[in-house]
Amino acid sequence: DVKVTQSSRYLVKRTGEKVFLECVQDMDHENMFWYRQDPGLGLRLIYFSYDVKMKEKGDIPEGYSVSREKKERFSLILESASTNQTSMYLCASSLADYYEQYFGPGTRLTVT
Amino acid sequence: QKEVEQNSGPLSVPEGAIASLNCTYSDRGSQSFFWYRQYSGKSPELIMSIYSNGDKEDGRFTAQLNKASQYVSLLIRDSQPSDSATYLCAVKDNAGKSTFGDGTTLTVKP
Repeated sequence: DVKVTQSSRYLVKRTGEKVFLECVQDMDHENMFWYRQDPGLGLRLIYFSYDVKMKEKGDIPEGYSVSREKKERFSLILESASTNQTSMYLCASSLADYYEQYFGPGTRLTVT
Repeated sequence: QKEVEQNSGPLSVPEGAIASLNCTYSDRGSQSFFWYRQYSGKSPELIMSIYSNGDKEDGRFTAQLNKASQYVSLLIRDSQPSDSATYLCAVKDNAGKSTFGDGTTLTVKP
């Protein structure tokens, strides 16, 4: 079974802090994704990566950056956290472009 | 206009009935189509994937795809209370980027 793990289930940070969210997958998947999910707004793509050191902006990249130094690990970075970044963050991976995605358990981030 | 639209919920069906969930998409170049189930407080989990026109069955679940009409649906037969969840339709384009619908919340009443 595919396993996608995220570094924290719950996280509380202060406004202005730099925040790192880490995601690891164990199935040698090519593609990895970061989403945020908010009530009424659904799942929105922040960034995705189709190879090591490669990244593409999603629909809402502003205020975020990503890093993929190793194939199995994809990190989301909030350079200076703001209260409007309070959300559920979901990482996902897929074998390749046309395949299904597998999601991690999510990190609920609160920025105060 | 949102690229992936799902029928507005919530949807309520009695136990044992058929639940029908619908989804339309705007990008004619879409290649892959998925249904995910999401329980409250949990992350989405894959139920079905479908890539070509027609029906695909897996146990009590049947996905239907009509690319000409840009329509994908999910039927759940013999609905159970454990099927109560939000169902997300996802469509992948040629670049491997997925767009999700807002979801339809299904309640199966015993």
